[in-house]
Amino acid sequence: DAKTTQPTSMDCAEGRAANLPCNHSTISGNEYVYWYRQIHSQGPQYIIHGLKNNETNEMASLIITEDRKSSTLILPHATLRDTAVYYCIVRVVRAAGNKLTFGGGTRVLVKP
Amino acid sequence: NAGVMQNPRHLVRRRGQEARLRCSPMKGHSHVYWYRQLPEEGLKFMVYLQKENIIDESGMPKERFSAEFPKEGPSILRIQQVVRGDSAAYFCASSPELPGELFFGEGSRLTVL
Repeated sequence: DAKTTQPTSMDCAEGRAANLPCNHSTISGNEYVYWYRQIHSQGPQYIIHGLKNNETNEMASLIITEDRKSSTLILPHATLRDTAVYYCIVRVVRAAGNKLTFGGGTRVLVKP
Repeated sequence: NAGVMQNPRHLVRRRGQEARLRCSPMKGHSHVYWYRQLPEEGLKFMVYLQKENIIDESGMPKERFSAEFPKEGPSILRIQQVVRGDSAAYFCASSPELPGELFFGEGSRLTVL
């Protein structure tokens, strides 16, 4: 699975959009971009994933560049409860063996 | 539909004792994964199991650690002769047969005195 690079930390103002970047310059054509987050002491929570096209769900939007070498997770209206470590993971989705490899992630602090 | 259930949520053991952590996957999920998170560190993959089979144990320490996922009942992560360095949060995740997201439990926190 391709390696990802994320900023170590970032702050965001409550009510504003949070834009979390991720670089995955060695991504292969069959690898998806996944985002998870871990709120303090809790289990990781799935947010969103995509292959080529931009994706949106009730939690966030995922923007993937045309060359797929980078992506941005957007939390449209950050709340204090969005304070967490956000992980960008690139992996092949197999019929079996969906192991996730977590990197360091981005520690997001939403401030009032 | 209940999520991934882990128990106990907190476990305290003395050095040399055994720790058993249990994980019940989500209904309909036949794949189970165990991860370990040491204090102030990231999540590290340990083992991936399907019913009655270990598929990938590349992250398991070579000694004292074992995992199983029997035909009936929860998956068990067993740590024999625990040491202080085993103190960590152990997370279990499950996924369905077809490719899909992993769903994580709330973790079991092991403290070794």
